Amino acid sequence: GAVVSQHPSWVICKSGTSVKIECRSLDFQATTMFWYRQFPKQSLMLMATSNEGSKATYEQGVEKDKFLINHASLTLSTLTVTSAHPEDSSFYICSAPSVEGAHTQYFGPGTRLTVL
Amino acid sequence: AQKVTQAQTEISVVEKEDVTLDCVYETRDTTYYLFWYKQPPSGELVFLIRRNSFDEQNEISGRYSWNFQKSTSSFNFTITASQVVDSAVYFCALSEMDSSYKLIFGSGTRLLVRP
Repeated sequence: GAVVSQHPSWVICKSGTSVKIECRSLDFQATTMFWYRQFPKQSLMLMATSNEGSKATYEQGVEKDKFLINHASLTLSTLTVTSAHPEDSSFYICSAPSVEGAHTQYFGPGTRLTVL
Repeated sequence: AQKVTQAQTEISVVEKEDVTLDCVYETRDTTYYLFWYKQPPSGELVFLIRRNSFDEQNEISGRYSWNFQKSTSSFNFTITASQVVDSAVYFCALSEMDSSYKLIFGSGTRLLVRP
């Protein structure tokens, strides 16, 4: 079946640096991808909708200048956490709508970000 | 406004017990989809089921069964004869027809199955 991959699976960085997370649809095209953030023992919260060829749509309260999203192709979306701080440490998960429709999404395995 | 409530934060059962995870949702749309996902310790979400708002038939898949009741806006999930491998966090989620595929997740229920 369709697969969504994420890279890296985990990353540790120093405070103030930027980190890029990639989300790829491996055997299907995705004009839309979604980025979620999950803090420990909490639910998934939608951060933004990534749109191929246009600007991302951010959810209320998410800083677009801090979380840069680029949907460069039909199979790749990237999330860059700029000037990361310890409070940005979280589990970041991307997803893409299923080609079968019916609002089903394929989820990536997630990227665990730790900011020291 | 759309909302998903999973009132049970954590459930602990002994292996072979049956367990039901509750999910209550709110939506103004008449067309919507409901989902259950499993998140094991590895973190990767595992899709379990999708149900659309026009299909109220209950579903059974092996030890798993789902009870969809529109009258009470509930979509409960039952695991029969639970096993240790069922230990995980389970999320109920809602997607409205006009939401551009956005998923609204409940807070999750952590299930611990003890041997």
